[in-house]
Amino acid sequence: AQKVTQTQTSISVMEKTTVTMDCVYETRDSSYFLFWYKQTASGEIVFLIRQDSYKKENATEGHYSLNFQKPKSSIGLIITATQIEDSAVYFCAMRMNTEGADRLTFGKGTQLIIQP
Amino acid sequence: EAAVTQSPRNKVAVTGGKVTLSCNQTNNHNNMYWYRQDTGHGLRLIHYSYGAGSTEKGDIPDGYKASRPSQENFSLILELATPSQTSVYFCASGEHRDTQYFGPGTRLLVL
Repeated sequence: AQKVTQTQTSISVMEKTTVTMDCVYETRDSSYFLFWYKQTASGEIVFLIRQDSYKKENATEGHYSLNFQKPKSSIGLIITATQIEDSAVYFCAMRMNTEGADRLTFGKGTQLIIQP
Repeated sequence: EAAVTQSPRNKVAVTGGKVTLSCNQTNNHNNMYWYRQDTGHGLRLIHYSYGAGSTEKGDIPDGYKASRPSQENFSLILELATPSQTSVYFCASGEHRDTQYFGPGTRLLVL
């Protein structure tokens, strides 16, 4: 069975610094996809970035990047030059490479607080 | 940009009553999903659908039914609502091997 674990329940950092949020996963599949989502204070859930397991390069998207360590089953989210608006809950999710509807397994989330 | 809408946005129901939550997407995605979000549990999958006419059980389907009458619409039905079903419900749509796009959520309170 798939499992996604985010051990950090809450992180607080100063504005304009870099923060890393951890995520480890369990799967028996050789091919899978990893996602990070952001949930704002209003409740909106927004897709941020993805990593396909067969790609060796770490994905980047704006001031978001990933630290993909496949041997450790780890996919960390790095946010550089943090802004107040980055304060939110961040979810890691994994999807297996199967046919049909793609099911996501989510971690429980990490709350990020950006202090001015 | 993906467009997933949900109605109602807020709902108060009585125990034993029937509740229907509706979701509409304009992305022409084949796959649609219903999740619930509770403190300490993150997002949990209730039902999902491959396309019009299909529904599949997710990880926590007990007490819920789903209906996919068309490509655009996916409903979650609580035939006999219970207080334990008080939660925030999210609908999402997506295509194979692509990300999922979420609706704004529905807050349901069952008294």
